[in-house]
Parts: sequence; structure tokens; C-alpha cells
Amino acid sequence: DAGVTQSPTHLIKTRGQQVTLRCSPKSGHDTVSWYQQALGQGPQFIFQYYEEEERQRGNFPDRFSGHQFPNYSSELNVNALLLGDSALYLCASSRAGDLTNEKLFFGSGTQLSVL
Amino acid sequence: GESVGLHLPTLSVQEGDNSIINCAYSNSASDYFIWYKQESGKGPQFIIDIRSNMDKRQGQRVTVLLNKTVKHLSLQIAATQPGDSAVYFCAYHGSSNTGKLIFGQGTTLQVKP
Repeated sequence: DAGVTQSPTHLIKTRGQQVTLRCSPKSGHDTVSWYQQALGQGPQFIFQYYEEEERQRGNFPDRFSGHQFPNYSSELNVNALLLGDSALYLCASSRAGDLTNEKLFFGSGTQLSVL
Repeated sequence: GESVGLHLPTLSVQEGDNSIINCAYSNSASDYFIWYKQESGKGPQFIIDIRSNMDKRQGQRVTVLLNKTVKHLSLQIAATQPGDSAVYFCAYHGSSNTGKLIFGQGTTLQVKP
């Protein structure tokens, strides 16, 4: 049973560019959440997707957008990259039937470096 | 605002000893708490959870204690092993069932052989 998979594992971009990160949820999961983890910090919630719609959003600018596909996989897009966007981007999946979406299963993340 | 904080950034223990990692939270309405372990190069891994209607829960070698009066959470690891070396995060869901998980900054656990 494959867990949460993310691609790519590492990415280097320059300021102003755009980036797309991809995530496939754990088998049986239909909800995908994205988190940003800066070095030495805990993950920060970006947003959550369920039924192909953004259901909840954290305190991130509109430069951060996402998408969920019918097969429950998801993409995170970041436009006009800033140096401060350099971080580990984590995808987590869960089942919508879980009342509070507990027991999130995380992927290994995409390490984004903005130069 | 909401926050989850950890008392110590780094904890160093001898192999075989018990480890205790502490966490303070600010939102008294929090109803669900989770401990995650994150090893280098990996995503957070679920360890154990506890609901606000409990004050203690045990797993394999791990115990979580919740003190709602002082808004304090702790993770106890028995007979700590080298494989326990990692960063440990406490996190919680608020009472609004938003699906948003709030993480603390993390405590690094170092196990000395």
C-alpha cells in the first residue's frame, strides 16, 4: 500500500518564477492538505482540498494556489516566487469521514530552494 | 492568537533512559492533540493522539499526558533507542473542525549510545 507520494523531491527556482508541486494521497484517502515547513520550524497549514475544491485556507497569499483532480491527487502552485518561499512543502492526506481529519499521513515533501 | 509551543528545543538522553518531551498550547478550546516524529529528510510520522476528554493514553513505548488545567501536553518515551532520534512535534486541531493542524516548533531528541 503506497503512502503519500510527492514529486519532485527537490527543486531549484529563481525569484519571480512559478512552480508546481504534485501529490498523490494514500490509498483510500480523498482529502489533501498542503503545509509549508521552513527550516527549524513546524509545518504551517497552507490549504486543504476535498471534492476538488479548496475547503480551508491558512494565512498564505494568493500566490499560493492549488488543485485537486478526480483521482484525489493534488497540485500546489506558487507564482512569483520569493526567496522566503524556500522551504519543505509537505502534502498530507486523510479521509473525509474522519471528523477532524486527524491522523494525517504525510509525504516526504518537496524541498524548494529559491535563488 | 493560536500557538503551540515546546519548552526545550533539544533534549539529549542516554540510550535506555526514558524521555519526556513537553508542549504548551494556548487555545483552551482545543479538543484533539497529536504527536508527530520527523526524521531527517522525511515527513512527519504520526506517533500517538489524545482527545480532550482523556488525560492519558498509552501506546507502544509511548505515553501522552494531557493537563487541560495548565494547557500542557507531554510525550513520554520509555527505554529510548537510537532510532528514536528525531524532531518531535506536538500539534492540535481546534474545536471548529477546520481540518487545519497547528504545529509547534519541535523538540530535537538526541539519543546517546
